[in-house]
Amino acid sequence: GAVVSQHPSRVICKSGTSVKIECRSLDFQATTMFWYRQFPKQSLMLMATSNEGSKATYEQGVEKDKFLINHASLTLSTLTVTSAHPEDSSFYICSVLAGGTDTQYFGPGTRLTVL
Amino acid sequence: KQEVTQIPAALSVPEGENLVLNCSFTDSAIYNLQWFRQDPGKGLTSLLLIQSSQREQTSGRLNASLDKSSGRSTLYIAASQPGDSATYLCALNYGGATNKLIFGTGTLLAVQP
Repeated sequence: GAVVSQHPSRVICKSGTSVKIECRSLDFQATTMFWYRQFPKQSLMLMATSNEGSKATYEQGVEKDKFLINHASLTLSTLTVTSAHPEDSSFYICSVLAGGTDTQYFGPGTRLTVL
Repeated sequence: KQEVTQIPAALSVPEGENLVLNCSFTDSAIYNLQWFRQDPGKGLTSLLLIQSSQREQTSGRLNASLDKSSGRSTLYIAASQPGDSATYLCALNYGGATNKLIFGTGTLLAVQP
């Protein structure tokens, strides 16, 4: 399967700061990536679909101005949590859609803690 | 709104037992269904993918079944091992242009040595 990396794996920041999380597809080009959020003891919830070269598509209830997504290349998508607050503390996971298939490969996740 | 429920939420079994995890969904017009494993604080590992036209898939000690008419899927784990301890998630893909996955609530499995 595809190799997907995320950076950083863990980040702690102060309330009000912005945090950028990177998702990289290491062995193939991906026009579509997905961003999920997982709160403790809960399942994954899709936040947005990241499309290379175009605007991301956000799920209902996800603020696009707070969670900025940039998919500027076929191997990299970034999620920026702007003006982070403690309630944004969560586990953020990206996935990459393998071209020509309906299979998603998941990254290892990023643990965000906002103090 | 599609709802995906997994029962039980948590399960503890002694090593060597066979076990079944359940996944129920309200909208049966799925494109495919996938079972994942998630270790604590980690990403997801895909275990099995069943297309809507299929009834089951097998990989090693794992067998996943799909019954669209009843809105159910099961993951059967044979001869469980402590290394099987993890959270198991089912995810539904309703197809279309988006390929979005809707995840179930998860089952936390603990296999006791």
